[in-house]
Amino acid sequence: DVKVTQSSRYLVKRTGEKVFLECVQDMDHENMFWYRQDPGLGLRLIYFSYDVKMKEKGDIPEGYSVSREKKERFSLILESASTNQTSMYLCASHGTLNTEAFFGQGTRLTVV
Amino acid sequence: QKEVEQNSGPLSVPEGAIASLNCTYSDRGSQSFFWYRQYSGKSPELIMFIYSNGDKEDGRFTAQLNKASQYVSLLIRDSQPSDSATYLCAVNPPGGYQKVTFGTGTKLQVIP
Repeated sequence: DVKVTQSSRYLVKRTGEKVFLECVQDMDHENMFWYRQDPGLGLRLIYFSYDVKMKEKGDIPEGYSVSREKKERFSLILESASTNQTSMYLCASHGTLNTEAFFGQGTRLTVV
Repeated sequence: QKEVEQNSGPLSVPEGAIASLNCTYSDRGSQSFFWYRQYSGKSPELIMFIYSNGDKEDGRFTAQLNKASQYVSLLIRDSQPSDSATYLCAVNPPGGYQKVTFGTGTKLQVIP
């Protein structure tokens, strides 16, 4: 059974904190993605990675960074959390030949 | 113009009716098209994909693709209350690293 696992389901952080969201996939997928989802705005791509140590900015990269040191793991970093980063964060992965995306369970982050 | 556009809804249909969900895309060279279903509070899951012009049927679901008009649709026959969810259209544009672009989703409500 294929799986994308996010490290936390719910997270509450304070303004200014550095926040790490972890995502691990067990499907040997090359491509991994971080999205945020807000009501009425749909899924917005923050960053994606198509290989180890490679990253590309998505549509809304400001305030975020990413790390991909191993193929199976893709981390999203909020350098200094702000209240406007309160959102649902979704990690996804897919292969190169088959672009069906598999999603993690999501992390609901609240910044207070 | 957004890359992938969907009517946000809600689309309300009575139980047993046909639900028709539509999506348009801007990149004429797009190759792969996907429909995801997302229940409230859950992650998106793939229900259909289509690559060629025409219809593709899978049980109660039919995906329709018209590349000349740049639209893709999803028909749900014999709609059930359990089909109530948000349906996301996703498009894989040509070239690059196969980054999938999602629409904002259409909320479907099936009324018993």
